[in-house]
Amino acid sequence: AQSVAQPEDQVNVAEGNPLTVKCTYSVSGNPYLFWYVQYPNRGLQFLLKYITGDNLVKGSYGFEAEFNKSQTSFHLKKPSALVSDSALYFCAVRDITGGYNKLIFGAGTRLAVHP
Amino acid sequence: DADVTQTPRNRITKTGKRIMLECSQTKGHDRMYWYRQDPGLGLRLIYYSFDVKDINKGEISDGYSVSRQAQAKFSLSLESAIPNQTALYFCATSDSGSRNTEAFFGQGTRLTVV
Repeated sequence: AQSVAQPEDQVNVAEGNPLTVKCTYSVSGNPYLFWYVQYPNRGLQFLLKYITGDNLVKGSYGFEAEFNKSQTSFHLKKPSALVSDSALYFCAVRDITGGYNKLIFGAGTRLAVHP
Repeated sequence: DADVTQTPRNRITKTGKRIMLECSQTKGHDRMYWYRQDPGLGLRLIYYSFDVKDINKGEISDGYSVSRQAQAKFSLSLESAIPNQTALYFCATSDSGSRNTEAFFGQGTRLTVV
C-alpha cells in the first residue's frame, strides 16, 4: 500500500533561518507527491506537487521541495522562514489502488517560526 | 477554498443523533472526497465518489454513509453519532484530467459528539 511518513511532529525555526519539513514515501510505481498547508481554522491549501521532471519543485509562498528517489524522500524547504509560515504541513501521495485516484496523507508536522 | 463550501462549519450533537454534513463545489470537478482529521493521525479517507453513480468506501467508512446528489454536491451522514466521531471533517474535490491530480479542500466542519 502507498504511504507517507512525516517523522517530526513539530519543527521549530527562527525567523529568517532556512526551514525543512521532512517526508518519506513508500509507493509501488512512480510516485505522485504533494505538500499541503493548513492554517488555523482553515482548510488545506495546496502548496506544490511532484509528478515527473526536475527533482526540485517550486510552489506557493516561496516553498520548494526536493524529490530524492534513492532516499524515497520529498522534503519541503524554504530558504528564509517567516512567522506567518507557522502552520500544520501535510505530505501526501497519490494512491491508485483499484483504479481509483485518491490522496493518502501523512500525520502532519507543525511548523513554529519564532521571531 | 471558497470554491468548495461545507455546511455547517461547526456542530455539536448528542450521541445517537443523526447528522448530515453537506459539501458543494463550483469548480466543476467530477471527483469528490470526505476526509476526517484527528490530531496525530493526519487526514483519513472516509468515502470518495468519481461521479454521481460511483461511490466508494475509504479506509474508515464504518459508521458513515454518503450521497452524491449531483456532480456538485456530496453529503456525509452519521446515522447514529458516537463520541469517537468527534473530529474535523473535510470535503475535497479533484479533476479527472491526467495532470490535475491535486485536491482542493473546503474549510472544514468541526463536529463534536457529546
